[in-house]
Amino acid sequence: NAGVTQTPKFRVLKTGQSMTLLCAQDMNHEYMYWYRQDPGMGLRLIHYSVGEGTTAKGEVPDGYNVSRLKKQNFLLGLESAAPSQTSVYFCASSSQVSGANVLTFGAGSRLTVL
Amino acid sequence: GQNIDQPTEMTATEGAIVQINCTYQTSGFNGLFWYQQHAGEAPTFLSYNVLDGLEEKGRFSSFLSRSKGYSYLLLKELQMKDSASYLCAVVDSNYQLIWGAGTKLIIKP
Repeated sequence: NAGVTQTPKFRVLKTGQSMTLLCAQDMNHEYMYWYRQDPGMGLRLIHYSVGEGTTAKGEVPDGYNVSRLKKQNFLLGLESAAPSQTSVYFCASSSQVSGANVLTFGAGSRLTVL
Repeated sequence: GQNIDQPTEMTATEGAIVQINCTYQTSGFNGLFWYQQHAGEAPTFLSYNVLDGLEEKGRFSSFLSRSKGYSYLLLKELQMKDSASYLCAVVDSNYQLIWGAGTKLIIKP
């Protein structure tokens, strides 16, 4: 049981380049999320999805786009990368455990924008 | 604004007990999570509190006081593998998760 898988794990981009981060989960979870994690700050929600074909903006959506064409996949796109998008990106999916919406995270994708 | 405060870093000795505090000011409250994150890895779920009091799970316990906007994570019989960051997160009135910056716990032999 793989859980949540993110690809790629590492990527270096030049300013203005585009890329897509892929997240796949095999737990049949409805909800999926993209977060970024920066030093000294809490995890910040970029976009999320409550089901196949639906997406919504989180706290810091600017400069990112997402798609959820299949229930198991959630893609995060950067159309024109900027140095401020240098970060570690985590994908997560969630399920209810004893009344709590518990997140299962992927291993993270470290992105550097030069 | 919404705010979650945790100490940035703590140091403890192997075999000892450590308490990691979390205070929060959020628009509403619908539960509080603790996650553990080893360096370079993903956060993993530790505990969830929605009612006041202490929840015990093996060597780890989590306490909540909603009236004080306060929680702590208690780790007993510390092991070297407990060296990690501990993230506090609160579910606000819109059921959004608000995350603290995390507490880096260093365990010394």
